[in-house]
Amino acid sequence: AQSVTQLGSHVSVSEGALVLLRCNYSSSVPPYLFWYVQYPNQGLQLLLKYTSAATLVKGINGFEAEFKKSETSFHLTKPSAHMSDAAEYFCAVSDGRGAQKLVFGQGTRLTINP
Amino acid sequence: DAGVTQSPTHLIKTRGQQVTLRCSPKSGHDTVSWYQQALGQGPQFIFQYYEEEERQRGNFPDRFSGHQFPNYSSELNVNALLLGDSALYLCASSLQGASSYNEQFFGPGTRLTVL
Repeated sequence: AQSVTQLGSHVSVSEGALVLLRCNYSSSVPPYLFWYVQYPNQGLQLLLKYTSAATLVKGINGFEAEFKKSETSFHLTKPSAHMSDAAEYFCAVSDGRGAQKLVFGQGTRLTINP
Repeated sequence: DAGVTQSPTHLIKTRGQQVTLRCSPKSGHDTVSWYQQALGQGPQFIFQYYEEEERQRGNFPDRFSGHQFPNYSSELNVNALLLGDSALYLCASSLQGASSYNEQFFGPGTRLTVL
């Protein structure tokens, strides 16, 4: 079975500061990994995905994530936070087989302080 | 190009009632997955429909059922509603075989409140 653990249900940073959202996964097969963002009262938008190509993945809105197999991690970073980054962020894993269902973490709420 | 659409946006029901939620996939997509997102939680996979059949099911009781129509749209039905069924229900669409991973595009969700 696959699982995702997001460390920190709430992260607060100042505008212009580094954003680091942590995600660790468990998977018995090579995983596909994703970060989604959810703004209030909206669905999920894909930020970026790792599908066994480059381990450093660049996404939209200046976000990137690095797949580290030895640490079973896929942390999300952004060099400089913007007020518009305030949202809920979800890390998800899939085994890429069959229905390719996504298994999500609990989410991390990112707050940006002016 | 319309993305994934869901209806209704909000719904209020009482315990024991039945509810039907609807989803239209992104143009060109043939697969629909449903997820339940309880307040403060991550989404949980309910089931997926492809070629009008349930392809895989998550850990949800038989009260949750679905259907996919020839035009690829889908319905999620929940019978005998419980208070714990209150959640945001998300629909995601994808295209089978498009790549090694079939990226899922999510709709805005239907907020179900059970009183």
